[in-house]
Amino acid sequence: DAKTTQPTSMDCAEGRAANLPCNHSTISGNEYVYWYRQIHSQGPQYIIHGLKNNETNEMASLIITEDRKSSTLILPHATLRDTAVYYCIVDRGSTLGRLYFGRGTQLTVWP
Amino acid sequence: DAGITQSPRHKVTETGTPVTLRCHQTENHRYMYWYRQDPGHGLRLIHYSYGVKDTDKGEVSDGYSVSRSKTEDFLLTLESATSSQTSVYFCAIKSGGTEAFFGQGTRLTVV
Repeated sequence: DAKTTQPTSMDCAEGRAANLPCNHSTISGNEYVYWYRQIHSQGPQYIIHGLKNNETNEMASLIITEDRKSSTLILPHATLRDTAVYYCIVDRGSTLGRLYFGRGTQLTVWP
Repeated sequence: DAGITQSPRHKVTETGTPVTLRCHQTENHRYMYWYRQDPGHGLRLIHYSYGVKDTDKGEVSDGYSVSRSKTEDFLLTLESATSSQTSVYFCAIKSGGTEAFFGQGTRLTVV
């Protein structure tokens, strides 16, 4: 199972874009990149996922490099409510598999 | 919210006593997971299940056992609780190819 590497912490000014990197250099061809976030002590919540192409939804954009060894989650206009721990994981999807979340990145959005 | 419920939400128990945490889902998802979360360690996988009576170990399985006798319930048992098992425990559910949904967590204190 591929593992991911993320910076421990980042900060961002409110209203600016937050760009959170993730390294997944051992990702295999059938593994998706998923992003979740955990606000305070709640359970993590899904944000976005992708396989090869860049993806965008109402919450964020996901940019995956062509070699798929890294990705970036973009919150285009960060707000104070985006302060959370962000997890990048790889998931094989249809086959049985462990989901490793690791420590994630603590994003702090400041006014 | 996805139909996932953890019980109890809070529990204080004494060292050496057995403890069982329950995760219940109404979504008929195949995969179920137990994680623990401690400061500085992020989310660590304890055990997971990929079907009824099909379970496997995660990263930190020592001192824990699980059972899944029916699709909707995944039980986590601490046979003899220790202070090092004081933590917040999260259950997650997932189907193949979809995102994971998390419960609200169980705060366990072993005194």
